[in-house]
Amino acid sequence: GIQVEQSPPDLILQEGANSTLRCNFSDSVNNLQWFHQNPWGQLINLFYIPSGTKQNGRLSATTVATERYSLLYISSSQTTDSGVYFCAGVTDKLIFGTGTRLQVFP
Amino acid sequence: DADVTQTPRNRITKTGKRIMLECSQTKGHDRMYWYRQDPGLGLRLIYYSFDVKDINKGEISDGYSVSRQAQAKFSLSLESAIPNQTALYFCATSDFKMDEQFFGPGTRLTVL
Repeated sequence: GIQVEQSPPDLILQEGANSTLRCNFSDSVNNLQWFHQNPWGQLINLFYIPSGTKQNGRLSATTVATERYSLLYISSSQTTDSGVYFCAGVTDKLIFGTGTRLQVFP
Repeated sequence: DADVTQTPRNRITKTGKRIMLECSQTKGHDRMYWYRQDPGLGLRLIYYSFDVKDINKGEISDGYSVSRQAQAKFSLSLESAIPNQTALYFCATSDFKMDEQFFGPGTRLTVL
C-alpha cells in the first residue's frame, strides 16, 4: 500500500526564518494534500496539489508526482505558524504521514 | 457557520459504555469519512461512505460501527468503549468530482 513519509520530524525556528518541509510517497497517488494542525487540534487545509506549484501568501507548495515528493515552503515564519504540518496522499482515501512539528519562537 | 460540524467536542466516558459521535455537513458533499488521531501520530481511517447506501471499513474499524442517516449526516459509534479508544476523532467530507477532503473540528474522547 501507499506509504507517506515526512521530514524533518521536528523543526524549531526563530520568527522571520524560512523553512522547507518534505513529503515522500511510495507509489502513485491521485492527489496530495497539505494540512496545518494548530495547537488546538484543528486541521486546516493548506494545499490540494497533485502536481506543480501553488502559492498562498507566505506559503507555497510544489509536488513532483513523477519523482514522488512534495515540498511545503514557509517564508518569514510567524509564531502563529506553530503546530504540526501533515501531508496526505489521496487515493480513494487519505493516507497521512506522521507530520512535521514546527515551533516558531519570537 | 462551519461547513463540517462534530458533536460533542469533548467527551469523557467509562469503559463499557456505548457512545455515539455525530457529524453533519453543509458542503453538499456525497462522501464522508471518520478518522482517529492518537498523540504524536497522523490520522488513520476508521470508516468511509461514498453515498447513503455505501459503507466501507477503513484501516482500523474493529470496535467501531457507523451509520449514514442522510447525505449530510454520518455518525460513529463505539458499542463498548475501551481505554485504548481514547483519541481525537475527526469527520471529513469530499465531493466525488474532486477528492479534496475537508475536516471538522474534532471530538476529543477519553475512555476511563
